[in-house]
Amino acid sequence: KNEVEQSPQNLTAQEGEFITINCSYSVGISALHWLQQHPGGGIVSLFMLSSGKKKHGRLIATINIQEKHSSLHITASHPRDSAVYICAVRNSGNTPLVFGKGTRLSVIA
Amino acid sequence: SQTIHQWPATLVQPVGSPLSLECTVEGTSNPNLYWYRQAAGRGLQLLFYSVGIGQISSEVPQNLSASRPQDRQFILSSKKLLLSDSGFYLCAWSVLMNTGELFFGEGSRLTVL
Repeated sequence: KNEVEQSPQNLTAQEGEFITINCSYSVGISALHWLQQHPGGGIVSLFMLSSGKKKHGRLIATINIQEKHSSLHITASHPRDSAVYICAVRNSGNTPLVFGKGTRLSVIA
Repeated sequence: SQTIHQWPATLVQPVGSPLSLECTVEGTSNPNLYWYRQAAGRGLQLLFYSVGIGQISSEVPQNLSASRPQDRQFILSSKKLLLSDSGFYLCAWSVLMNTGELFFGEGSRLTVL
């Protein structure tokens, strides 16, 4: 079974800072997801990637398959980015997602 | 566009009482449906998934059950709640089973007293 580790667990940043959240997994995967959980609990899918890099607005997600590692970057962070960011991986084959415990981000104005 | 609705949003129940959480998806046919639980300080845990009406797969043995009486309706139930059932429950759907993007409901926070 894949083990998914996220770091840091908690992160506090000043508005405008560049933020990096890391995700490592133990077994080769077919896809990796980054999700955002709002304070109310709802979850939104940010990215799904299996190689390289994806960008959407101020968010950038990268993955290194050889190192079994992914990063989520937020440029010019804003208080509205405050949320829990969750990494999830799908093993090769028809298996369910395995989730990390999440990184709680607080951006202070 | 597709939407997913989940209710109730908040529920406080005594130990031993029954539970019913309901989830419906609109704007798509034959979705793959999932129930997840998020306990405090832990990652999301898949409880049940369904690829079609009446087809339920259980990932974790527990005192919960799931049913899919209609194509776009997924229900999470319990006959007798335990304290350990407290948590945040999320319904989700996807187009393809175990591939592609997952779309989540807003969640239901259950407190068992």
